[in-house]
Amino acid sequence: SQTIHQWPATLVQPVGSPLSLECTVEGTSNPNLYWYRQAAGRGLQLLFYSVGIGQISSEVPQNLSASRPQDRQFILSSKKLLLSDSGFYLCAWSDPNNNQPQHFGDGTRLSIL
Amino acid sequence: DQQVKQNSPSLSVQEGRISILNCDYTNSMFDYFLWYKKYPAEGPTFLISISSIKDKNEDGRFTVFLNKSAKHLSLHIVPSQPGDSAVYFCAASARGAGGTSYGKLTFGQGTILTVHP
Repeated sequence: SQTIHQWPATLVQPVGSPLSLECTVEGTSNPNLYWYRQAAGRGLQLLFYSVGIGQISSEVPQNLSASRPQDRQFILSSKKLLLSDSGFYLCAWSDPNNNQPQHFGDGTRLSIL
Repeated sequence: DQQVKQNSPSLSVQEGRISILNCDYTNSMFDYFLWYKKYPAEGPTFLISISSIKDKNEDGRFTVFLNKSAKHLSLHIVPSQPGDSAVYFCAASARGAGGTSYGKLTFGQGTILTVHP
């Protein structure tokens, strides 16, 4: 069966520091991969999606970037974090043939101080 | 522009009764709709979905209804159980040019469901 792993579960970072969140998927090949952010009291906002290695599409302009160095690895990064980057970050995958549903990891709670 | 809206931030229901969660959307290109359930500190879990070619889909205690003319969908949970207490998100997807969407989902803000014993 397929599983998705995100780490760390919780992260506290100072303003201006770099960020690297990692997501890996097991049990499937060539998945579509997604990064979402949930701000406090709001729905999930799609940040990036990827349909293959090295292929990244950005949905909203922001201080973050994403990379997909391997088929089942998706990384969310920032060179310098802002206070507004605080939130709950979720990685998801979907079957490339069906696209839906998306299956989510347990997320990373990021707090910027 | 909030293309998917859940106008009720919270809903409280007695155990055994029906829970009805509502969702409205504005983008007429949306053709696939999903409901997710989320517990605190966890990722959303897929519950049930419906394609725009249908108006109802049922899975056990969960039924989703779609009214395309009103751009409205709802999730019915019958009977409601205390373990159903969670945040429920509706989400929508649209096929882009060429018939592909890459599965991009637009989410509502969520509704907190509390089922009392």
